[in-house]
Amino acid sequence: QQQVKQSPQSLIVQKGGISIINCAYENTAFDYFPWYQQFPGKGPALLIAIRPDVSEKKEGRFTISFNKSAKQFSLHIMDSQPGDSATYFCAATRPGGFKTIFGAGTRLFVKA
Amino acid sequence: DTGVSQNPRHKITKRGQNVTFRCDPISEHNRLYWYRQTLGQGPEFLTYFQNEAQLEKSRLLSDRFSAERPKGSFSTLEIQRTEQGDSAMYLCASSLGYRGDEAFFGQGTRLTVV
Repeated sequence: QQQVKQSPQSLIVQKGGISIINCAYENTAFDYFPWYQQFPGKGPALLIAIRPDVSEKKEGRFTISFNKSAKQFSLHIMDSQPGDSATYFCAATRPGGFKTIFGAGTRLFVKA
Repeated sequence: DTGVSQNPRHKITKRGQNVTFRCDPISEHNRLYWYRQTLGQGPEFLTYFQNEAQLEKSRLLSDRFSAERPKGSFSTLEIQRTEQGDSAMYLCASSLGYRGDEAFFGQGTRLTVV
């Protein structure tokens, strides 16, 4: 069962543009929402994360927006760079923190 | 190197053979997770250890799969009688505390069953 739905599947953005990836979740018990970045041949790496008591979190060029009532959250990458080209996964974790449910991923390509 | 280490990086095996993968977590991390990732998909949870205790197993983990974490250090994942559908990337992650937010992933073991 897919408890975290991610869109789009793929995204092409011009260098300097804004990349936006959206996720929706079903289980209101989730209480932690990380985003992971994965390069080919590598394991996922934690990029930024948010808890549902916060509506926005910003770290450098990366911002998470969280809408608890809509059960949606999104990743914004400002001033996108070719080095940001990777697959991005949103995820959600239940209290207890031991089982993380991942979205299907978004392949981002930033054109130079 | 202080990251999560997985060995081997790649494994090609014939259908029906048994394979074993090893994961060495970050040394002070007491939580260890195994995930499976197929092409074009996100990682799927397989199992979780708190120290040496295996506390949860996904229904994805059939009876051909077994995982251990002796002494709460490294972990092994064994697949018996491999099938072509087992071909995937097997990822190990570890974390320090109560939350999964500090989970660090290894580079994975890519299994190909021929």
